[in-house]
Amino acid sequence: NAGVTQTPKFRILKIGQSMTLQCAQDMNHNYMYWYRQDPGMGLKLIYYSVGAGITDKGEVPNGYNVSRSTTEDFPLRLELAAPSQTSVYFCASSSETATNYGYTFGSGTRLTVV
Amino acid sequence: GNSVTQMEGPVTLSEEAFLTINCTYTATGYPSLFWYVQYPGEGLQLLLKATKADDKGSNKGFEATYRKETTSFHLEKGSVQVSDSAVYFCALRGNSGGSNYKLTFGKGTLLTVNP
Repeated sequence: NAGVTQTPKFRILKIGQSMTLQCAQDMNHNYMYWYRQDPGMGLKLIYYSVGAGITDKGEVPNGYNVSRSTTEDFPLRLELAAPSQTSVYFCASSSETATNYGYTFGSGTRLTVV
Repeated sequence: GNSVTQMEGPVTLSEEAFLTINCTYTATGYPSLFWYVQYPGEGLQLLLKATKADDKGSNKGFEATYRKETTSFHLEKGSVQVSDSAVYFCALRGNSGGSNYKLTFGKGTLLTVNP
């Protein structure tokens, strides 16, 4: 039972480079989310999706883009990486039929922009 | 909007000490409440939950009671172990409005337990 899988686990980017953080879930969850975690700041929602083809902005969407072409996958795209995007990124999913059980999280991607 | 406030860390305890991490919330209606735990280098894991007033969530010796009168969901454990060292997040999911599936998190509390 894989749950939520994120790749890569670690990445160093140079300023101005682009990359895609991958997220896949095998639980047939409709809802998926991207968070970033900065030290001492908790988690901030970047983007979320309530189903394939539907995405919406969270609290801190600037500098990021997402797509949701399938139920399983929810990649996060960073364009023109900046040092302020150095963070740990978590993908999560949940089901509308089991929302009382909260989210299932991936193990995270640690990104450093230099 | 919804918000969660939890006690600032870090918290350092000796093994077998009693633990309390305070959490209060602001929300309309009757939210569901959660505690998540994040061990070093890992993602967040659901520790326990409560979905209505006076419910008590419990898991691995941890407990938290949903107190609507004080809008609180404090995490407690009677005797902590070194293996409990982690960051603990309080969170709520609102039950009103169109975005009631989204979780709102507190900032997290780092707990270190020394042998």
